Amino acid sequence: GESVGLHLPTLSVQEGDNSIINCAYSNSASDYFIWYKQESGKGPQFIIDIRSNMDKRQGQRVTVLLNKTVKHLSLQIAATQPGDSAVYFCAENTGGFKTIFGAGTRLFVKA
Amino acid sequence: EAQVTQNPRYLITVTGKKLTVTCSQNMNHEYMSWYRQDPGLGLRQIYYSMNVEVTDKGDVPEGYKVSRKEKRNFPLILESPSPNQTSLYFCASSQPDGTQHFGDGTRLSIL
Repeated sequence: GESVGLHLPTLSVQEGDNSIINCAYSNSASDYFIWYKQESGKGPQFIIDIRSNMDKRQGQRVTVLLNKTVKHLSLQIAATQPGDSAVYFCAENTGGFKTIFGAGTRLFVKA
Repeated sequence: EAQVTQNPRYLITVTGKKLTVTCSQNMNHEYMSWYRQDPGLGLRQIYYSMNVEVTDKGDVPEGYKVSRKEKRNFPLILESPSPNQTSLYFCASSQPDGTQHFGDGTRLSIL
């Protein structure tokens, strides 16, 4: 079946280092991918997205990479800060209004 | 301020007692959706609505009902709640092909 998963459930990084959060997806027909950040007690917040006709997209301190050959998505956070500590979800839009979320990766930032 | 508002934020109730979780958005979005979030499973889509009077099942619709009589509101109804519906619930809204805006969640405990 369709699934979106994450390689690591927990990631711990030193403040100032770069973070890389990975995600695998299984539906090669998916054309839109999104990364969300969820802080404790809050709903998921949009970080960055990418369409399947691109392989890289950059935002402020964040970059998303898409490798369609191996169905892999990654989120890179530059100069990770304590405020980046949260759970990160990748999500896959399978067409129309149906979105499938991965299980999430918890990012810990050590001061 | 653009927002998605859910009520209540917390509810403890008993098996079989009908309950409704309300969701309202002020962004004039066409699309609204309900998710449940359980540990290790990420967010799973319960129901979604593409516009007024248009709703469809997501991945885990059993035991839930929804209605979309007005564009801004999308209530989630549990006619006869059971303990396996104890979860954290999120409502989201977006424009077609737009990123989803999430509410802050409703934590339901069914005893």
